[in-house]
Amino acid sequence: EVQLVESGGGLVKPGGSLRLSCKASGFTLRDHSMNWVRQVPGKGLEWVSSISASDTYIYYAESVRGRFTISRDNAENSVYLQMSSLMVEDTAVYYCARRHEGSSWLIDYWGQGTLVTVSS
Amino acid sequence: QSVLTQPPSASGTPGQRVIISCSGSSSNIGSNTVNWYQHLPGTAPKLLIYSDNRRPSGVPDRFSGSKSGTSASLAISGPQSEDEADYYCAAWDDSLNGGVFGGGTRLTVL
Repeated sequence: EVQLVESGGGLVKPGGSLRLSCKASGFTLRDHSMNWVRQVPGKGLEWVSSISASDTYIYYAESVRGRFTISRDNAENSVYLQMSSLMVEDTAVYYCARRHEGSSWLIDYWGQGTLVTVSS
Repeated sequence: QSVLTQPPSASGTPGQRVIISCSGSSSNIGSNTVNWYQHLPGTAPKLLIYSDNRRPSGVPDRFSGSKSGTSASLAISGPQSEDEADYYCAAWDDSLNGGVFGGGTRLTVL
């Protein structure tokens, strides 16, 4: 069974940093690109970042580029999101999500999410 | 403002067919496939439709998807009370080099 478990969320002050982790199980992580998607309370889903299976391709949403860094450790079955210079607008539930490898972009499994609250 | 445009709400009775629209552009829906997700607050989103019109195993056949040009639609034939949720369309955007979602549509079953 595919499982994605996020951790690392919490309360942080504006300008602070936080590192989210996503532990994958039930599949071979190195065979899949991975994504982070967030949902601001009361708002819709927003794609944040993607990292290819081999680390070759990394993409960021304009809203986080230069502040967030995605990475992965296939040996540890984990994906990370290092967030710095956090702003109040970054308050959201952050989901780790697996891409189904194929010719098109398709997220097929999601974690339960971890809440990040940026507030003074 | 979401890149893909959806109506904020939709409703219908179990005897009706409800359609949720998703409007995009040539750089996203017009050149890439569309996926649909069902999301209940506090839970992980669930893949409902992929590659415009394909259903993963386990998804009831009352859910169907279609696409034409730069727009896509999700149809629910005879919505059930358990279908009350938020629905999102999604696609890759070649200009933004990133994934884009619709703003979400909340379905109410009357």
